[in-house]
Amino acid sequence: DADVTQTPRNRITKTGKRIMLECSQTKGHDRMYWYRQDPGLGLQLIYYSFDVKDINKGEISDGYSVSRQAQAKFSLSLESAIPNQTALYFCATSDPTRTGELFFGEGSRLTVL
Amino acid sequence: ILNVEQSPQSLHVQEGDSTNFTCSFPSSNFYALHWYRWETAKSPEALFVMTLNGDEKKKGRISATLNTKEGYSYLYIKGSQPEDSATYLCALDRGSTLGRLYFGRGTQLTVWP
Repeated sequence: DADVTQTPRNRITKTGKRIMLECSQTKGHDRMYWYRQDPGLGLQLIYYSFDVKDINKGEISDGYSVSRQAQAKFSLSLESAIPNQTALYFCATSDPTRTGELFFGEGSRLTVL
Repeated sequence: ILNVEQSPQSLHVQEGDSTNFTCSFPSSNFYALHWYRWETAKSPEALFVMTLNGDEKKKGRISATLNTKEGYSYLYIKGSQPEDSATYLCALDRGSTLGRLYFGRGTQLTVWP
């Protein structure tokens, strides 16, 4: 089983719908991140969390919200989805006591029609 | 906006060829440089995390070098194999918030048998 699990892996929805992407991890890391991948662009940081009580905006947080329900769970919500939020979304974790490398989930592909 | 540039954008080589690509980044406020390998339909996985000027790291046929003073890193693959086909991402960590990385757009490598 993957250490960082994302659900759903694929989702098609309509403009204006509320969508939640969920991420859970078994690595025991405090730090969790949501990144977005658009074709031809680098991964862009949406939100990050260093513990359950710490939530921070990244570069492209507008239109998104997050919830850190537990150390192992970090959810990303689109309150009212729009077509330009069509993208591949990655959840990741890191252990700051080591090299700081990110451990990624397998991605959630979201299409907003 | 922090620019992390990768070149070339894509590369097609024959099995057995050696290849290299470049990651350029602002040299100020440098903490670490990450390389990730991202195979289609899988999660990006860390190859190297490099912190010191002049660092050289090696994993099998893949190696990387780092020049923090001039702001670049090279990734080399010796004797490319079809299984090396992937997108190679570099990412800059400026250290102000450990684990917040700034990604390049990636180099997509295709190795033909």
